[in-house]
Amino acid sequence: AQKITQTQPGMFVQEKEAVTLDCTYDTSDQSYGLFWYKQPSSGEMIFLIYQGSYDEQNATEGRYSLNFQKARKSANLVISASQLGDSAMYFCAMGGNQFYFGTGTSLTVIP
Amino acid sequence: NAGVTQTPKFRILKIGQSMTLQCAQDMNHNYMYWYRQDPGMGLKLIYYSVGAGITDKGEVPNGYNVSRSTTEDFPLRLELAAPSQTSVYFCASTSELVNQPQHFGDGTRLSIL
Repeated sequence: AQKITQTQPGMFVQEKEAVTLDCTYDTSDQSYGLFWYKQPSSGEMIFLIYQGSYDEQNATEGRYSLNFQKARKSANLVISASQLGDSAMYFCAMGGNQFYFGTGTSLTVIP
Repeated sequence: NAGVTQTPKFRILKIGQSMTLQCAQDMNHNYMYWYRQDPGMGLKLIYYSVGAGITDKGEVPNGYNVSRSTTEDFPLRLELAAPSQTSVYFCASTSELVNQPQHFGDGTRLSIL
């Protein structure tokens, strides 16, 4: 069975600090993709960052980076220099022979 | 470029009524999905489609039906609305499972009273 696990229901971070949101996955596929989405309180789902299973370099998109550890089957999202606007739900997802979402982590940035 | 369009944005139904949530995408994506999201929770897959004429059940299909007669459209039908179906419904599409993200509509907020 394939699945995504996000073990942190809620996280707090001080403004301007970095924060890591955890994601582990389970798959028997050789080729798969890992994705992170942000869902602010307004409700829309915003795609943030992608990592392919064969990518050797960790993906980065501005203040977002994906810490990909293939042997540990983890794909943690790192947000650097947190801003108040980063307060939102964050979902990890995996695409392979099917698409799966984790249960999400609620991030609150404290001024 | 519209992306994924969901209508309506909000709807209130009475118990036992039926309705169709519309979803259309203009990106020529083969894969389309319907999710529901209950307050404070994650996404649960209701139905998905890998192409026109092909649909399959997800995690929570009971009480819902779908059809996929064209690549662009993937409507979700609620037959006998129940309070447990009060939720936010998201439609999503993608061209490919491994290398492309899912593109989401803005959601339909549905209340069953």
